[in-house]
Amino acid sequence: DAGVIQSPRHEVTEMGQEVTLRCKPISGHNSLFWYRQTMMRGLELLIYFNNNVPIDDSGMPEDRFSAKMPNASFSTLKIQPSEPRDSAVYFCASSPQGALSAEQYFGPGTRLTVT
Amino acid sequence: AQSVTQPDIHITVSEGASLELRCNYSYGATPYLFWYVQSPGQGLQLLLKYFSGDTLVQGIKGFEAEFKRSQSSFNLRKPSVHWSDAAEYFCAVATGGAGNQFYFGTGTSLTVIP
Repeated sequence: DAGVIQSPRHEVTEMGQEVTLRCKPISGHNSLFWYRQTMMRGLELLIYFNNNVPIDDSGMPEDRFSAKMPNASFSTLKIQPSEPRDSAVYFCASSPQGALSAEQYFGPGTRLTVT
Repeated sequence: AQSVTQPDIHITVSEGASLELRCNYSYGATPYLFWYVQSPGQGLQLLLKYFSGDTLVQGIKGFEAEFKRSQSSFNLRKPSVHWSDAAEYFCAVATGGAGNQFYFGTGTSLTVIP
């Protein structure tokens, strides 16, 4: 299995631009998670999906952030408009069970820099 | 509120020496416990997990962890550290059940000196 795939691996954009991060979970996993990692705040859970349905988006920082999962093999995290404070590494993870208590498999991350 | 504490931000050990990374959690019931490792520029990899049963769990790469309910701890150990173990280590807790929540600690950075 290829594991969780994220694209792009690096993204540099200017403030105000729209940014879309993509994730392909491991085939057969029915839960998907988006995290943000910064030096200041560590790892933060932004949102997670079970069977393509958003379950908890309480970690999404602002309305500028949105996430979708149109099917079991694809998810996007969009930031519009982007701001310099959004600079971070964004991780996607998937899990074979429909609960946070199961282990999660992480992708390599997308390093976002907003100038 | 539930939380996870990793009191050591950074630890340095010599190659071949033993290692213990501390993790404490705050939760009323027995949580689900995890240790993850993150190498530079990489995502997180699961080392081991505790759900129930034997309180000493074995993981990959020669790591083990012991759940101690009386101390609300889940410390990670390795008897002999290798240079390739240098990485960031994260303890995580999931509360399970209804209203399931997942929390990561702030991480412990491990440096291994030859």
